[in-house]
Amino acid sequence: DTEVTQTPKHLVMGMTNKKSLKCEQHMGHRAMYWYKQKAKKPPELMFVYSYEKLSINESVPSRFSPECPNSSLLNLHLHALQPEDSALYLCASSPNPGQTTYEQYFGPGTRLTVT
Amino acid sequence: AQSVSQHNHHVILSEAASLELGCNYSYGGTVNLFWYVQYPGQHLQLLLKYFSGDPLVKGIKGFEAEFIKSKFSFNLRKPSVQWSDTAEYFCAVKRVAGTYKYIFGTGTRLKVLA
Repeated sequence: DTEVTQTPKHLVMGMTNKKSLKCEQHMGHRAMYWYKQKAKKPPELMFVYSYEKLSINESVPSRFSPECPNSSLLNLHLHALQPEDSALYLCASSPNPGQTTYEQYFGPGTRLTVT
Repeated sequence: AQSVSQHNHHVILSEAASLELGCNYSYGGTVNLFWYVQYPGQHLQLLLKYFSGDPLVKGIKGFEAEFIKSKFSFNLRKPSVQWSDTAEYFCAVKRVAGTYKYIFGTGTRLKVLA
């Protein structure tokens, strides 16, 4: 199984709502990532988890709150978002973070619209 | 700061034409190099990767790329494109030492005319 799954596929939320995005992988990967991709732009890294611990936060606003409950699951909790946060949110995973060479496997993304 | 440049933002080709997409990066140390493809409405898929060894790497769907260290380049090629190659192509670079971070290029939107 070389798949990263993400739910939901689409999400529309108001600026006062609280919602969560979910990402799951069963490849035994120990590094997981959240990216944000705006239309016609490359993915931008938001967070990296290594062995279930947050290792990189790319100065993301606190209205985005990541969580890694176990090695297979990664959540992104959303609260009080702004319309400019509308984007495709991609999850990715990669094998042992201690390796120097590895590739990332991407999920299909959640398309988020903030109204 | 490390950066990745893709010079061709939009490319339009007829079927059977040859393709070359440029990718240059700015980091001087050892790197891993990748090309990803994103078909319309689909997720990023790995086309090919370079870690070490033979600088000419072959990927899926007939794509290949050549790493030229002296030019800091990793250009993607395909001898004969098909309509189904219509997609966005992203080059990505990762420093081997000290970071998990991929740096993506701005992408090249390829349209192949049938």
